[in-house]
Amino acid sequence: GENVEQHPSTLSVQEGDSAVIKCTYSDSASNYFPWYKQELGKRPQLIIDIRSNVGEKKDQRIAVTLNKTAKHFSLHITETQPEDSAVYFCAAPNSNTGFQKLVFGTGTRLLVSP
Amino acid sequence: NAGVTQTPKFQVLKTGQSMTLQCAQDMNHNSMYWYRQDPGMGLRLIYYSASEGTTDKGEVPNGYNVSRLNKREFSLRLESAAPSQTSVYFCASSEAWAGGGYTFGSGTRLTVV
Repeated sequence: GENVEQHPSTLSVQEGDSAVIKCTYSDSASNYFPWYKQELGKRPQLIIDIRSNVGEKKDQRIAVTLNKTAKHFSLHITETQPEDSAVYFCAAPNSNTGFQKLVFGTGTRLLVSP
Repeated sequence: NAGVTQTPKFQVLKTGQSMTLQCAQDMNHNSMYWYRQDPGMGLRLIYYSASEGTTDKGEVPNGYNVSRLNKREFSLRLESAAPSQTSVYFCASSEAWAGGGYTFGSGTRLTVV
């Protein structure tokens, strides 16, 4: 089955700096890699995802890159703002039973200081 | 559109008590999931239902049962609660496969004393 590792577990940056969160996965057949943001006391919400036929995807200040050879993908946040403070989760699909369900990383707590 | 609705939002149980967590979605999604969230451990899959009429175990199914009542509703039951089941529980739904993205409910914070 799929195993997803996420680093770092905590990340502190100054407002305006960039932040990078990295994840590795084990199943070379995985083909979909979403990122979720969870604010304190709230539900996880999908912020960006990438499929295995592209290497990079951008949406305003956030971007995700994928290296299928190395089996890792990363979330990049530029010009960070205090409202970016949250826990971020990466995920990859586990399809060992023929049905894809997501396996999540352990999360990265991002703190953006004004 | 309500999306995914979970009840209750908070619950305190005594060890050995039972309860059912309810989840309903109005997005006509085929697949539904129950995850638990514990500090430092991310989201771990308890059970899932790929489609109406089917349920399967996830990563941490012990101590839980589920029922896919119809296409909209997927409930999680704790028959005899234990302190180790203290957690935040999230229900989610998606199209027929993970690549459709998950929509999560607002969560249930359960404490077993």
